[in-house]
Amino acid sequence: GAVVSQHPSWVICKSGTSVKIECRSLDFQATTMFWYRQFPKQSLMLMATSNEGSKATYEQGVEKDKFLINHASLTLSTLTVTSAHPEDSSFYICSASWSQNTEAFFGQGTRLTVV
Amino acid sequence: AQSVSQHNHHVILSEAASLELGCNYSYGGTVNLFWYVQYPGQHLQLLLKYFSGDPLVKGIKGFEAEFIKSKFSFNLRKPSVQWSDTAEYFCAVTVDNFNKFYFGSGTKLNVKP
Repeated sequence: GAVVSQHPSWVICKSGTSVKIECRSLDFQATTMFWYRQFPKQSLMLMATSNEGSKATYEQGVEKDKFLINHASLTLSTLTVTSAHPEDSSFYICSASWSQNTEAFFGQGTRLTVV
Repeated sequence: AQSVSQHNHHVILSEAASLELGCNYSYGGTVNLFWYVQYPGQHLQLLLKYFSGDPLVKGIKGFEAEFIKSKFSFNLRKPSVQWSDTAEYFCAVTVDNFNKFYFGSGTKLNVKP
């Protein structure tokens, strides 16, 4: 199957700093990527839809100024957690697909810990 | 809003036991249904999916699921589990033909050898 890679796999940062997470589709072009977060013992929750060349669409309750998403090319989307706080500590996962009604492929996830 | 419910949060079985994990969704329109598995430290992997056609779907590793539209359910089954099936299982739906996923809370399966 297609490969989606996230980088880094884990990151620890200080409170107040910003962290960038990358999501790359390695062997296909993804016009749309999605960002999810997973709190401990909870499900994956969709945060935003990232569309190549346009602004991301955020789910209700997700602060767009805090979670900056950029989808500059058909193979790369980035999520930047700005002014991170300990409550932002979570597991962030991206997914990508090349069209509707096809399988979405997930990255391996990024564990963010804010201290 | 769309929601997906997985009723079993943690299941413990012995090898060779049969498995059934429940999944219900709330959405009245066109849905696509998925089961994903996440082995410890690994990516989410697709087990099986339903878009249309035969409501009994067969997936990888001997898993199958049945879509019952009247019950808004998509339960996952396997007749005989193995120790290697120990993982977390997520039911998910997409609605209106988009790839925006709504996930259930997951079920951790522990299979004792």
